[in-house]
Amino acid sequence: DIQMTQSPSSVSASVGDRVTITCRASQGISSWLAWYQQKPGKAPKLLIYAASSLQSGVPSRFSGSGSGTDFTLTISSLQPEDFATYYCQQANSFPQTFGGGTKVEIK
Amino acid sequence: QITLKESGPTLVKPTQTLTLTCTFSGFSLSTSGVGVGWIRQPPGKALEWLALIYWNDDKRYSPSLKSRLTITKDTSKNQVVLTMTNMDPVDTATYYCAHRQPGGWVDYWGQGTLVTVSS
Repeated sequence: DIQMTQSPSSVSASVGDRVTITCRASQGISSWLAWYQQKPGKAPKLLIYAASSLQSGVPSRFSGSGSGTDFTLTISSLQPEDFATYYCQQANSFPQTFGGGTKVEIK
Repeated sequence: QITLKESGPTLVKPTQTLTLTCTFSGFSLSTSGVGVGWIRQPPGKALEWLALIYWNDDKRYSPSLKSRLTITKDTSKNQVVLTMTNMDPVDTATYYCAHRQPGGWVDYWGQGTLVTVSS
């Protein structure tokens, strides 16, 4: 299995802050990476696919970058509705493993 | 509009077999490239892929759980069924089914169903 490592595991931030989350794959996955947002008691929501493509309906303050083994999710100006847990997922090979998650909390 | 919904028991006993059904609408599992998968999430923990079935009946299983899992589809009923044998308390989790688009991305999820394994 390809291992996905996210950092940090949690981050405290204020509304308006810029937040960056990183994800590292244990082997190269080209651009086969997605980012999801999950709120408590809800299913994950696709934000970014193919490392940098914004899913329809997702605000432009979310952006993704990277290829190969190192990837980044950036929230340019954190909004109250963005407090949630974020997961990266590789789609290069099955099982399409997820990272351990990054919880974005209110500072 | 694509929707998926999981159904099945909320409580199973250790050693029993779990059967979950995913009923979906808004797409066809006979369309080239489409798949439906199962993903679970233990309370407070990360997501874990279990199984995936493609439009052409090709199947993929998590290597660590392969011996316990079976995934099938009924295209006429718009359903995908997952069975997991020999359930254990560590299998307590919310189980999600999800739509895999032809591009390879999982873009729609069911609401999830919490399955507790306890005697």
